[in-house]
Amino acid sequence: EVQLVQSGAEVKKPGESLRISCKGSGYTFTKYWIGWARQMPGRGMEWMGIIYPSDPDTRYSPSFQGQVTISADKSISTAYLQWSSLKASDTGMYYCARLDYGGDSLDYWGQGTLVTVSS
Amino acid sequence: QSVLTQPPSASGTPGQRVTISCSGSSSNIGSNTVNWYQQLPGTAPKLLIYSNNQWPSGVPDRFSGSKSGTSASLAISGLQSEDEADYYCAAWDDSLNGWVFGGGTKVTVL
Repeated sequence: EVQLVQSGAEVKKPGESLRISCKGSGYTFTKYWIGWARQMPGRGMEWMGIIYPSDPDTRYSPSFQGQVTISADKSISTAYLQWSSLKASDTGMYYCARLDYGGDSLDYWGQGTLVTVSS
Repeated sequence: QSVLTQPPSASGTPGQRVTISCSGSSSNIGSNTVNWYQQLPGTAPKLLIYSNNQWPSGVPDRFSGSKSGTSASLAISGLQSEDEADYYCAAWDDSLNGWVFGGGTKVTVL
């Protein structure tokens, strides 16, 4: 069974750094792209970027380029989303999702990680 | 403001048919396939329809998708109480070079 399991909720202060994780299981982790998306109340889902764990080829949405870093450790089948200096506006629910083999859909999603940034 | 436009809500009584629309543009729906997701409260999105009208394994055929031009729609026939959820459309956007999503439609079973 394909599963993406994300790390738990985080509460941080502005200016702090953070890395959240997404561990894949039940499939060959290095053969599928893994993407990240943010969901905020009233703003719907926003695409952040994607990584191919095997290379790792990484591509960012222009809205998030320079704001976050996406990485992966294929030895432990885990993808990461990282901030060096959080802002209050980074508060939201973050999901990882697997891109299917044909690239047509994000077929499996993690359970989400709630990030709260508040002083 | 989401790139794809969906109505914020839809409702029906058990057994009825409910349809949700999703409007986009030539760079997304107009040139790529559409996927639909179901999100139950407090859970991750679940792929419901891919490539406009295909079912992933385990999804009942009460759910169906279609696409025409720069719009798509999801139909739920034989509405059931467990269908109460938020439904999102998504498509790849060639101009933005990324996935774009609708704002979601909350389906209520009356």
